[in-house]
Formats: sequence, C-alpha cells, structure tokens
Amino acid sequence: DQQVKQNSPSLSVQEGRISILNCDYTNSMFDYFLWYKKYPAEGPTFLISISSIKDKNEDGRFTVFLNKSAKHLSLHIVPSQPGDSAVYFCAASSAGRDDKIIFGKGTRLHILP
Amino acid sequence: GAGVSQTPSNKVTEKGKYVELRCDPISGHTALYWYRQSLGQGPEFLIYFQGTGAADDSGLPNDRFFAVRPEGSVSTLKIQRTERGDSAVYLCASASGRPPETQYFGPGTRLLVL
Repeated sequence: DQQVKQNSPSLSVQEGRISILNCDYTNSMFDYFLWYKKYPAEGPTFLISISSIKDKNEDGRFTVFLNKSAKHLSLHIVPSQPGDSAVYFCAASSAGRDDKIIFGKGTRLHILP
Repeated sequence: GAGVSQTPSNKVTEKGKYVELRCDPISGHTALYWYRQSLGQGPEFLIYFQGTGAADDSGLPNDRFFAVRPEGSVSTLKIQRTERGDSAVYLCASASGRPPETQYFGPGTRLLVL
C-alpha cells in the first residue's frame, strides 16, 4: 500500500522548457514533504522541501507546490537543463510524530537537447 | 567536509551467508537511518538511530536483520542467513536531528545474494 505515489515512471522534456513532476499521497498525517534527486551509483540528494503550512516553496529554478485538499504536490523545474536528468523521489513525513520518511518510487527525468 | 560514506560499495555473497554493511555518518550528526532500495522502488525505511539507541526499528523486515551504533557514530547493518530477496542497494543517511532536519545520504552498498 503505497502512501506516496509517483505515477509517472519517466518523463522527457526539452532543454529550456519546464519540467513538472507530480506526486500524490494518501496519509493525511503527513505534514512535511521533500524532493530528492538521484544520479546513478550515488545516494539521493536533498533538493527542496515544503511544510504543510505552506502551499509553495521556491529555490532558484526549483519550485514545489502543495495542494493539501487534493493530497498532491508537484515539483517544477524551469528552465530545465541537461544536468537535471536524474531520478526524482517525492517523500513525506509526519515531522515531530514519526521519524520515518516515506518515499515514492521515483520518476526518471530525461532532458532532451 | 566529508559526507556520509558506506563500505563496501559492492558486496556479492552466497545464499545463507552473513554480511555486514558499514556506514560512517557526517561528523556530529546524531541521527542515522538505514534504507533499502530494490530495483524500481524508492528507498524503504529500515531503522533509525538517535545517538546509540535504535529509536525506531519498525522497518526491519525480519529477525535476520540487525543494526548497531555502539558509540553513536559509525553504524553496522548485519544480515544473517542471507536470501536472494535481500539483494538491493542499502542506503545510509545521517541528519543533525529528527525530521524535518535534512537527511544526507551515502552512495549505498549494492548487495547481491547469489
């Protein structure tokens, strides 16, 4: 029973365009959400996070949007660059209540030249 | 500064053998996590240490899996009587505290059980 779902296994985007990665969750107790990026043969690297008290968090080219009523979040990357090609994991936790972070299965992003 | 390191980077063993996987966290990080990532899946939580004690081991799949962190720094994940289904990448992460403190991951140990 997946509590964090990334329904697109892969996504291809033209360089310079916007990449939108989606994530849905089922546990209403989650109050903190994260995106991690992973290159082959490396561990995941933290990218950006958002608390449930916000609906948007921006860091340079990366913006995360949270829609609590829909239990949905998305990561926007604009403009997309070749180095953005990687696997992106959405993750969630109940910060302060539970020490676990629950990860989705990931979406492989390909930036096309 | 140095990040999280894990040794070995790759481990091949035979079914039924015992293996130990080591994690060196970022210096000063009190929180340490072990995850397992199978092919096509995201990291799956195994166990969390705060200091020397296992604060949450609810993710360990069965009693063949055990982890220690005797001095509150280096941790060892131990797997007894390995099975082919144990083949996965085992990831370690450390953090300066509990969530929402950022977890920093090591490169992982790729375990293959033949």
